[in-house]
Amino acid sequence: DTAVSQTPKYLVTQMGNDKSIKCEQNLGHDTMYWYKQDSKKFLKIMFSYNNKELIINETVPNRFSPKSPDKAHLNLHINSLELGDSAVYFCASSQVDEQFFGPGTRLTVL
Amino acid sequence: AQSVTQLDSHVSVSEGTPVLLRCNYSSSYSPSLFWYVQHPNKGLQLLLKYTSAATLVKGINGFEAEFKKSETSFHLTKPSAHMSDAAEYFCVVSDPQAGTALIFGKGTTLSVSS
Repeated sequence: DTAVSQTPKYLVTQMGNDKSIKCEQNLGHDTMYWYKQDSKKFLKIMFSYNNKELIINETVPNRFSPKSPDKAHLNLHINSLELGDSAVYFCASSQVDEQFFGPGTRLTVL
Repeated sequence: AQSVTQLDSHVSVSEGTPVLLRCNYSSSYSPSLFWYVQHPNKGLQLLLKYTSAATLVKGINGFEAEFKKSETSFHLTKPSAHMSDAAEYFCVVSDPQAGTALIFGKGTTLSVSS
């Protein structure tokens, strides 16, 4: 009965590869997000979708492309991975003001 | 623009002693404020939230925070620390200009010694 789930939990890959992280929420929320947590544990919003429509797109390289096939899913695709993309990526969803976070995906680029 | 400043990057306490994690915010609007906790290699869990109701907010695990508009503060407290409280704590404000996206402080690492 996990509320917000992400797959995979760990992702290790080589520079230049393309990878995707999947996120699903079963809370019936309208809004979903992707956050990036860097090595200093600082968390920053990357994208926000409301009912499958993009509403926030922070200054993120266009190698990152979110895709929302339906309201319950927000996937993150990353092209041409770079060393600096190594981080923990968190998916979240919300209905009003409280956000529920997934367990995170630790991406390591070698 | 909204922002939060966590005044201490690291706080160390002994088990059984009080905890105080300090947070100041900057906001042009009536903010919603939150404290989240992240245990090592875990996700984020909401401790408590303030959304313009009572200024003293009680959360889970004995934590509480007081919203003080005059001081633009939202400090997190707990009367008696437990070893399991050792974690990273984030003070967070919501930004109505950016939908409901959260703006995180840089975090405070709480260490609890026996």
